[in-house]
Amino acid sequence: GAGVSQSPSNKVTEKGKDVELRCDPISGHTALYWYRQSLGQGLEFLIYFQGNSAPDKSGLPSDRFSAERTGGSVSTLTIQRTQQEDSAVYLCASSPLAGGRETQYFGPGTRLLVL
Amino acid sequence: AQSVTQLGSHVSVSEGALVLLRCNYSSSVPPYLFWYVQYPNQGLQLLLKYTTGATLVKGINGFEAEFKKSETSFHLTKPSAHMSDAAEYFCAVSRGQAGTALIFGKGTTLSVSS
Repeated sequence: GAGVSQSPSNKVTEKGKDVELRCDPISGHTALYWYRQSLGQGLEFLIYFQGNSAPDKSGLPSDRFSAERTGGSVSTLTIQRTQQEDSAVYLCASSPLAGGRETQYFGPGTRLLVL
Repeated sequence: AQSVTQLGSHVSVSEGALVLLRCNYSSSVPPYLFWYVQYPNQGLQLLLKYTTGATLVKGINGFEAEFKKSETSFHLTKPSAHMSDAAEYFCAVSRGQAGTALIFGKGTTLSVSS
C-alpha cells in the first residue's frame, strides 16, 4: 500500500520567505508527527496530531513554526520568515493509533535549504 | 524525562563480521524502545521494537536487539554483515505517555567493507 508521502522533496528559499511543507499520511492512520533532522541537532520532535485532540506543539522551536492537519488527514507545516538555521530535513510520520508502543511510519522527508 | 545515547557515531565492519551498535537509554517509566534504519535520501524504516514481553527482539534483515533493564541498554546486533547493511541507524525511546513522539539518539553510521 501507499506509504507516507511528503512534498516537495526539496525546497530552496531565501531568508525571510515563508515555506509550506506537506505531508500525506497513510490512509486510516490517526496519529501524525513532524520531526526535524539536522546535522547539529539530530532528529527532533516538532509537533504531534491525534484525531480531533489539540496538537502537542511542545517541540516547535519558535513561534515562526506552525502546523495544521485538515480533516484528520493531510498536514501542512509552515515556517514563517525562514532563517538559515531552519535548513534541515523535515520528516513526517504517521501511526495507526496513538500510543508510545505504536510503530511510526516515516515519509522520505523534505530537504529545506534557506539561503 | 527520557533520553537515548548511542555510543559511536561511526562503526566500520568487514562483510561477514558481527555488527554491534550500542544504545543506552534513560527513562523514568518502563520504556518502549525502537531501532530505525535510514538509507541515503530516504526516510526511516523500523528494524525492530521492544514494548513488553520477550526481551530478545528479532527484526527485519537478520537484526536483533536485547532489552537489558539492569544495564539500561538495547544494543542492536547482526551475526554477519552484508554490504547492503551500510546505512545510518537510530535508537529511539518513546516518551512513554499515550500518543507521544519518539526521542532519538544521534545515530550511528555503519560502513561495511568487502
